[in-house]
Amino acid sequence: KAGVTQTPRYLIKTRGQQVTLSCSPISGHRSVSWYQQTPGQGLQFLFEYFSETQRNKGNFPGRFSGRQFSNSRSEMNVSTLELGDSALYLCASTPGLAGNEQFFGPGTRLTVL
Amino acid sequence: AQSVTQLDSQVPVFEEAPVELRCNYSSSVSVYLFWYVQYPNQGLQLLLKYLSGSTLVKGINGFEAEFNKSQTSFHLRKPSVHISDTAEYFCAVSRTDSWGKLQFGAGTQVVVTP
Repeated sequence: KAGVTQTPRYLIKTRGQQVTLSCSPISGHRSVSWYQQTPGQGLQFLFEYFSETQRNKGNFPGRFSGRQFSNSRSEMNVSTLELGDSALYLCASTPGLAGNEQFFGPGTRLTVL
Repeated sequence: AQSVTQLDSQVPVFEEAPVELRCNYSSSVSVYLFWYVQYPNQGLQLLLKYLSGSTLVKGINGFEAEFNKSQTSFHLRKPSVHISDTAEYFCAVSRTDSWGKLQFGAGTQVVVTP
């Protein structure tokens, strides 16, 4: 089975721009979660989508949004980028049941200049 | 609300020596517990998880962890480390009623030297 894929792997943007990151989960997985990883704040949960519906949301401003398509692929969008948005963005997928392991992708490294 | 505390930010260890990484958590509800490893420039890989049952959990690559409910701890151990175990290790919890959201500790960097 192919693992979780994330595109692009690296991205450079400037302040004020917006960005869209993509995540393709493992085949058959219905839940996709997004995390932000920074040296200062560590790993922080952004949101989770299950069957095209947002099921959980973290404490991030409204500039961070996401969606999930009928094939379970997910995108996250960050509008009006700030320098502090520079981070590794990790996507994880799971079948969506209690106690299921989350399988992580390699991440998208976003640099905001 | 939950919190996860990894008590050591960095653990240096010699090859073939044992290692223990400490994790304490607090939560007002039941949780599942996980240990993940992250190698440089990679995503996270699950080492082991505790859902219920036996408090001693065995994982991949020779790692094991013990769940202690009274001390709210979930410490990770390996009896003999290899150079390839050099990585960052994360303890994480999720509520049993909200399993799509993992809350992570700050991480412990393990550096194995010959």
